[in-house]
Amino acid sequence: NAGVTQTPKFQVLKTGQSMTLQCAQDMNHEYMSWYRQDPGMGLRLIHYSVGAGITDQGEVPNGYNVSRSTTEDFPLRLLSAAPSQTSVYFCASEDPSSYEQYFGPGTRLTVT
Amino acid sequence: SQKIEQNSEALNIQEGKTATLTCNYTNYSPAYLQWYRQDPGRGPVFLLLIRENEKEKRKERLKVTFDTTLKQSLFHITASQPADSATYLCALDIDNDMRFGAGTRLTVKP
Repeated sequence: NAGVTQTPKFQVLKTGQSMTLQCAQDMNHEYMSWYRQDPGMGLRLIHYSVGAGITDQGEVPNGYNVSRSTTEDFPLRLLSAAPSQTSVYFCASEDPSSYEQYFGPGTRLTVT
Repeated sequence: SQKIEQNSEALNIQEGKTATLTCNYTNYSPAYLQWYRQDPGRGPVFLLLIRENEKEKRKERLKVTFDTTLKQSLFHITASQPADSATYLCALDIDNDMRFGAGTRLTVKP
């Protein structure tokens, strides 16, 4: 099992550009989520999904869109990047039997 | 609003001692609480889950307690080793919204 994979590892964007962060898992987990991690603030939930076709907002959803067309994939879209979105982004999936969250390696995004 | 606080940003201890990290929360009664380890440049890794009806959980050198009256969890690493140096995060499930503390950076000195 590859677990949770994320691409790209690093990205630099200019203000106003859009991009999609990719996330995939091969554990057949229904629950997936996106977090951002900023220094001193811990992980904050952006969006989550409880299964294909179902998404919902977390604590900090503004400026981000998600979709879930398959169980495996959960991409995160930045519509118009802003410097405030400079952060490290983590995708996770959850084992429903243990509530254990499996995190990907992260994407470090810089918006200039 | 919900608040999760971890006792300190950084904790330095000597090898062989017990490290104790604190997680306090307010305004919620979670069904369970989790602890994760995060190394620099990597995603968090799950360590332990403790449910609201459990007072204590152990896994090898790790021990977690959960006091729902005090709204506090303590995370202990006994016989600490330099390899235990990392950031430790606590997390609570709040209506499908996982909330994380900011973490405590533990350094174990040889």
